[in-house]
Amino acid sequence: GIQVEQSPPDLILQEGANSTLRCNFSDSVNNLQWFHQNPWGQLINLFYIPSGTKQNGRLSATTVATERYSLLYISSSQTTDSGVYFCGSSGSRLTFGEGTQLTVNP
Amino acid sequence: GAGVSQSPRYKVAKRGQDVALRCDPISGHVSLFWYQQALGQGPEFLTYFQNEAQLDKSGLPSDRFFAERPEGSVSTLKIQRTQQEDSAVYLCASSLRGGAPNTGELFFGEGSRLTVL
Repeated sequence: GIQVEQSPPDLILQEGANSTLRCNFSDSVNNLQWFHQNPWGQLINLFYIPSGTKQNGRLSATTVATERYSLLYISSSQTTDSGVYFCGSSGSRLTFGEGTQLTVNP
Repeated sequence: GAGVSQSPRYKVAKRGQDVALRCDPISGHVSLFWYQQALGQGPEFLTYFQNEAQLDKSGLPSDRFFAERPEGSVSTLKIQRTQQEDSAVYLCASSLRGGAPNTGELFFGEGSRLTVL
């Protein structure tokens, strides 16, 4: 099955900084989604982005399907952005990476 | 309902007990997925339903794990003779579309945290 690699595994920022999270895939990209796992464990949808670029407030995402990667941009980070970010991709089932643990300090 | 609902949110079981975890997907969603998430890991696929048909159960770790969705809506994940290694968060997700290769956007519930003593 598809392999999903996320980087960096951990990221510590000061409030207001920008960051880029990356997902690399071993096979064709389908069903590409980015999630933020909140402190209670729920996966909150950020983007459904099989290709192209989308923006939602301070967050944006870009997927380059032909090169098998996706990027999540967080601008002007806030402490509430802290948590684990997951990407997932595949066909009939989503395969997840190991996540990026983001900590935003005040 | 408005979102995917899972119950119970927390379950403590003694080793050897059977447990049943319930998932109520978003109304009208065709696809339903179960995932297992161990501490510090990403979610791992368990099984997939399209309506009432279980089309993929390749991720179920042993024959102690069983899932059903008899009427194509609510689903139950059952774990028999629980072991300590079954301790994890069990996540349910649903999507509007059915069928590989692209079932569309997945929406997750809050999960059921199982602790086996």
